[in-house]
Amino acid sequence: QSALTQPRSVSGSPGQSVTISCTGTSSDVGGYDYVSWYQQHPGKAPKLMISDVTKRPSGVPDRFSGSKSGNTASLTISGLQPEDEADYYCCSYAGSYTVFGGGTKLTVL
Amino acid sequence: QVQLQESGPGLVKPSQTLSLICTVSGGSITSGDYYWSWIRQPAGQGLEWIGRMYTSGRTYISGNTNYNPSLKSRVTISIGTSKTQFSLKLISVTAADTAVYYCARGSDTFDIWGQGTMVTVSS
Repeated sequence: QSALTQPRSVSGSPGQSVTISCTGTSSDVGGYDYVSWYQQHPGKAPKLMISDVTKRPSGVPDRFSGSKSGNTASLTISGLQPEDEADYYCCSYAGSYTVFGGGTKLTVL
Repeated sequence: QVQLQESGPGLVKPSQTLSLICTVSGGSITSGDYYWSWIRQPAGQGLEWIGRMYTSGRTYISGNTNYNPSLKSRVTISIGTSKTQFSLKLISVTAADTAVYYCARGSDTFDIWGQGTMVTVSS
């Protein structure tokens, strides 16, 4: 099993939108609607931002949204805020195991 | 409100066994149908799923576990003697096992995380 593929970094200015992609295979991302996304600030534990491809847990701003097409899932953050600067990880169910993406560093310019 | 807390030695010698405990407060491991996982993160690197165990109501079956194929031969995840704890054992550790170790609730969606505990493998 290989880690899901994410861009190493993305950036955007406050108020703009950014999209982070997460590419897997038909055995993980493409095979199940169980993709989740996590935000991690330095020195902190990850925080769940999106579950089941598109579901937003209570308390997560509606600026965060998720989608999936084929073997690629995406996290879109609209109306970027300075506090959105963090590392983002995707995660997918893969049957008998679970796999994370390599992580994407979001810089808010 | 359920909270998780990892505990265990911060330093382990090469070839020895890494043992960590995750303590659940505000609930118990058997209070519902949940998966409980261990995840690790080497310094400056990404998250790696280690494995999970499943509990259903008041029952726990030792076989209800799944592990990362790359670690499967060295990992055991099990319920603790207290129904508010579950454990991680990783045998034959090397420097590559140095990481922050997190326990979390979930199988592929982790809604509650511990704060993490740093484990260094060094002689």
